Amino acid sequence: DSGVTQTPKHLITATGQRVTLRCSPRSGDLSVYWYQQSLDQGLQFLIQYYNGEERAKGNILERFSAQQFPDLHSELNLSSLELGDSALYFCASSEQPGLATDTQYFGPGTRLTVL
Amino acid sequence: EDKVVQSPLSLVVHEGDTVTLNCSYEVTNFRSLLWYKQEKKAPTFLFMLTSSGIEKKSGRLSSILDKKELFSILNITATQTGDSAVYLCAGGSNYKLTFGKGTLLTVNP
Repeated sequence: DSGVTQTPKHLITATGQRVTLRCSPRSGDLSVYWYQQSLDQGLQFLIQYYNGEERAKGNILERFSAQQFPDLHSELNLSSLELGDSALYFCASSEQPGLATDTQYFGPGTRLTVL
Repeated sequence: EDKVVQSPLSLVVHEGDTVTLNCSYEVTNFRSLLWYKQEKKAPTFLFMLTSSGIEKKSGRLSSILDKKELFSILNITATQTGDSAVYLCAGGSNYKLTFGKGTLLTVNP
C-alpha cells in the first residue's frame, strides 16, 4: 500500500457524460500527478500539481481538467467522454515538485469504462 | 517529440536465468531515467538514474545509464517467479515524463 488513495475504483458511464476522479496523496506529499494507461497508448503523463498550482502538463486533452485543493487532494474531471477514454487512471504523489527527480508513489487506480 | 523505446516487448525465461531489459530515449532537457515494475496493479518505483556510468543496485536488480548513447539497461539476476511483471522505463525533464511501452517479463518455474 503506497498511501495514495483513489476513488472510485471502477466507473462505468456512457459517451458524452462527465466524471470526476478523486485522489488523496500520501501524508506530507505536496505534488500530485495524473496518468492514463490504456492498452494502445501505454502509460501517459497527463498533468502535475504542486501545492495547489499546476506545474507540468503532458498529453492531457482539452476535455480533461484537474485541480488540487488546499487540503492537497486532487480531482481529475473528464467531460464529453468518448469510447477511447476508457482506461486506467492513476494518481501518484511525491514530496517535492521534481517530475523526473522525485520518487513518485502510485495509487491503485480508477478503471473507467465508457460505453 | 520525446520518445522512449523498450526492448524486447516480451521475454519468457526460467527461474534462475539472468535477464537484461533495454531502454533507449530521446528526451529534450533530459533530467533522469526511471524504471518501474508493474504487476497487476499500480507501478512501483525501482530506480532513478541521473548520472552516466553509475550502477544502481537493489538486491538482484541493477541498472545503469549511458547518457552518451542515450540508453539504459535493467538487469535481473537469478530470476524468480515473483519477478514476472511489466517493466516500464520513463525519460523525464522538469516538465515532461515519457514512458516506454514496457517489457513483459514472464519467469517460469
